[in-house]
Amino acid sequence: AQRVTQPEKLLSVFKGAPVELKCNYSYSGSPELFWYVQYSRQRLQLLLRHISRESIKGFTADLNKGETSFHLKKPFAQEEDSAMYYCALSGRPYGGSQGNLIFGKGTKLSVKP
Amino acid sequence: EPEVTQTPSHQVTQMGQEVILRCVPISNHLYFYWYRQILGQKVEFLVSFYNNEISEKSEIFDDQFSVERPDGSNFTLKIRSTKLEDSAMYFCASRGQGSQPQHFGDGTRLSIL
Repeated sequence: AQRVTQPEKLLSVFKGAPVELKCNYSYSGSPELFWYVQYSRQRLQLLLRHISRESIKGFTADLNKGETSFHLKKPFAQEEDSAMYYCALSGRPYGGSQGNLIFGKGTKLSVKP
Repeated sequence: EPEVTQTPSHQVTQMGQEVILRCVPISNHLYFYWYRQILGQKVEFLVSFYNNEISEKSEIFDDQFSVERPDGSNFTLKIRSTKLEDSAMYFCASRGQGSQPQHFGDGTRLSIL
């Protein structure tokens, strides 16, 4: 079964503390993994994708195929990082997939001053 | 930066009525999607559309739902006879060729009375 699991509904940290939002997946094949962010009253925005291997707004995520995980990390959280974070996967477009996204339930990150 | 636009932002409809949700994807994109998010639940894939036809659809996308690209710019989702459980946020997304990521609209909040 294709599934994305985000075990934490809410993660609350203080400004400057490290952050790790967990994401595990189940997929038969080679998926693409994404992190989307939704700031208050705004649209879903792409934050990271595993094939890019880049750091956006200080966030990084490494695909661990052995553990089927794609955890999102930031060493020093900022108040403006407070948002809903969704992990998602899709099949690879060049593998015939139409790229439909399967989302996790999301984790609300709250960064306190 | 080009954006996916959705109208209306909020739609209130009586149960049993037809509703049409509208989306204008990014102009050079080729793949179009509808997702929905029931309050408190995760974002769920409904349907993908490519080359003027449905390419994939989920179990949620039953005979009450249809999609159309009536002209070169709009992409619509129609619910023929709405039910209370259709109340949700509906997100439109589009992407370009290859492995380009999906871009989401702001969503339409559909409330069925």
